[in-house]
Order: sequence, then C-alpha cells, then structure tokens
Amino acid sequence: ETGVTQTPRHLVMGMTNKKSLKCEQHLGHNAMYWYKQSAKKPLELMFVYNFKEQTENNSVPSRFSPECPNSSHLFLHLHTLQPEDSALYLCASSQEGNEAGELFFGEGSRLTVL
Amino acid sequence: AQSVAQPEDQVNVAEGNPLTVKCTYSVSGNPYLFWYVQYPNRGLQFLLKYITGDNLVKGSYGFEAEFNKSQTSFHLKKPSALVSDSALYFCAVRDLRSGNTGKLIFGQGTTLQVKP
Repeated sequence: ETGVTQTPRHLVMGMTNKKSLKCEQHLGHNAMYWYKQSAKKPLELMFVYNFKEQTENNSVPSRFSPECPNSSHLFLHLHTLQPEDSALYLCASSQEGNEAGELFFGEGSRLTVL
Repeated sequence: AQSVAQPEDQVNVAEGNPLTVKCTYSVSGNPYLFWYVQYPNRGLQFLLKYITGDNLVKGSYGFEAEFNKSQTSFHLKKPSALVSDSALYFCAVRDLRSGNTGKLIFGQGTTLQVKP
C-alpha cells in the first residue's frame, strides 16, 4: 500500500467511448503526476499538477484531459482514444518543497483501446 | 540536459549470487538519484535515494546503491539475490530545472531475472 490509489485497475474501451481514470493520494502531498508506460518504451511524463495548478503538459494530445479538483484527487478524462493509447497509466504524488522529490506511485490503470 | 541511462535491458543472475544493475546519469550540478522497482502489473515502488552524504545508500529489501561522482554512476546492488527480486528496475534522476518539484527523469528500465 503506497498511499496512492488508482481506479479502475483495468479498463477496456472503444475509440468512441468517454471514460475517466481516477487517482487519490492519502499522503498529504501537494503535487500529482500522470505517467504513461507503454511496452518497450520509457516512462512518459504526461501532466504535472502543483497545488492543483497544472504546471506541465508534455505535448499530450487533447484526447487526454486532466483534472485536479484538489490536492488529493487527480483525474484523467479520456475520449476518442486510439489503439496506440493502450498502456499502463500511472499516477504519482510528491511533496513539493521536499528536497528529495521522491515520487509515490499508484498501482496503475491498465487501459486497452479497441 | 538531464538524462539517465541503464545500459542493460536484462540482467540474469543465479539465486544467492550478488547482483548489480547499472545506471549512469548526466545532470547539471549535484544529482538527486533514485531507484524504483516494478513487479508485473503493479506500480513503481521506491527502493532508495541519494541526495548527499555517504556514497553507499541502503534501501528496502536488502538493496543498496553506490554513488560514484567521477564515473557519474549509481549502480544498484544486492549481496545475495532472491528469486523474488525478479522484476523491472528503474533508475531516475531529479530534473533540477523543475525546482523543488518531484519531477523525475527515468531510465528505460532493466529486467532482473534471478534463477533458482
């Protein structure tokens, strides 16, 4: 148990569906992240939120839409996805101002786009 | 630009033997370095970190890592491998351009296979 909970753990969706991934952290952290992990590729940072404000968007397509209503919750809204978007989506949190900057990860949401 | 490299896609070791998973880095200034482990269908778990001080850092599950500034390396080690150590290991460096946020740059990962 890392203190970061992701739901659902598995999701299968068609290209025309709209779904959302949810992340909740119970660590009192003030920064949250979405990473994409595809087979045979390095971890890709998608979005960074500090104090609920988006501070980074790494050229992510608009079919991925993040939402951070408070410092404990992070969503990734999905719509009109492509099969190549199938991957493990990892949420993480950290305490900004913490010199070490270590991240705590959730278990991930395995997304399959048909 | 900050970067981290893991030169081996896979490391094979027999149970009970020592293991080493290699990592080299390139940063401006002093590096903050991390190791994470990922078991199948799971998220990444933090193993250990180097910020400053003793070059030998001890972490979870009996792992340790040695920081070598002259060689810009941060290799992960364990004196005696277990079959249960078989997993995917990631080295990471903190992106100093991001200030005090935890944004990490990850290596491509090394699969460790420990055979009985």
